[in-house]
Amino acid sequence: AQSVTQPDIHITVSEGASLELRCNYSYGATPYLFWYVQSPGQGLQLLLKYFSGDTLVQGIKGFEAEFKRSQSSFNLRKPSVHWSDAAEYFCAVGFTGTASKLTFGTGTRLQVTL
Amino acid sequence: NAGVTQTPKFQVLKTGQSMTLQCAQDMNHEYMSWYRQDPGMGLRLIHYSVGAGITDQGEVPNGYNVSRSTTEDFPLRLLSAAPSQTSVYFCASSPRGGAGDTQYFGPGTRLTVL
Repeated sequence: AQSVTQPDIHITVSEGASLELRCNYSYGATPYLFWYVQSPGQGLQLLLKYFSGDTLVQGIKGFEAEFKRSQSSFNLRKPSVHWSDAAEYFCAVGFTGTASKLTFGTGTRLQVTL
Repeated sequence: NAGVTQTPKFQVLKTGQSMTLQCAQDMNHEYMSWYRQDPGMGLRLIHYSVGAGITDQGEVPNGYNVSRSTTEDFPLRLLSAAPSQTSVYFCASSPRGGAGDTQYFGPGTRLTVL
């Protein structure tokens, strides 16, 4: 069965530092890949998504992610983190033929220190 | 344009009680779904609907019931609440239900079952 792994439960970075959140998936073909962000007490908001074309995708709020087929990874990056980026980040995958059903990773909580 | 709305925001139930979580969207989306979010487990799909009159089970459907009589509404019913159903519940919708569709999430309902 397909699965999504986010190996980092909690990450702390200083404001202005760079950020990389890891996501690995297990599936036989290229899935649809998403990153969502959840601010405290809020619903989830889409940051970016990928399903074909350029493997480096740009999203909102200055985030980007790179799909690496050889590593089955879709890591999220930001060059300079802002205090407002503190939130929980979820990687999710969708698969052809499964409608919009998403499989989510367990999430990475980002803390930003000033 | 309110997007996806959920009511109530908070609810406390006693074991064995029943209740309905409401979800509505005003974007004319065909696909709607319910997820539950538990610490360390990400979001898990409960039920989904690809259009009015059509529903199907997700990953964790036991103890929940859904119906879709209109495009706009997708209520989730807890038939006999159990402490294991203590969770945060999110409703989501997407335009056509394709695997690559962006899903739009409501703000969530925090449910506690005593």
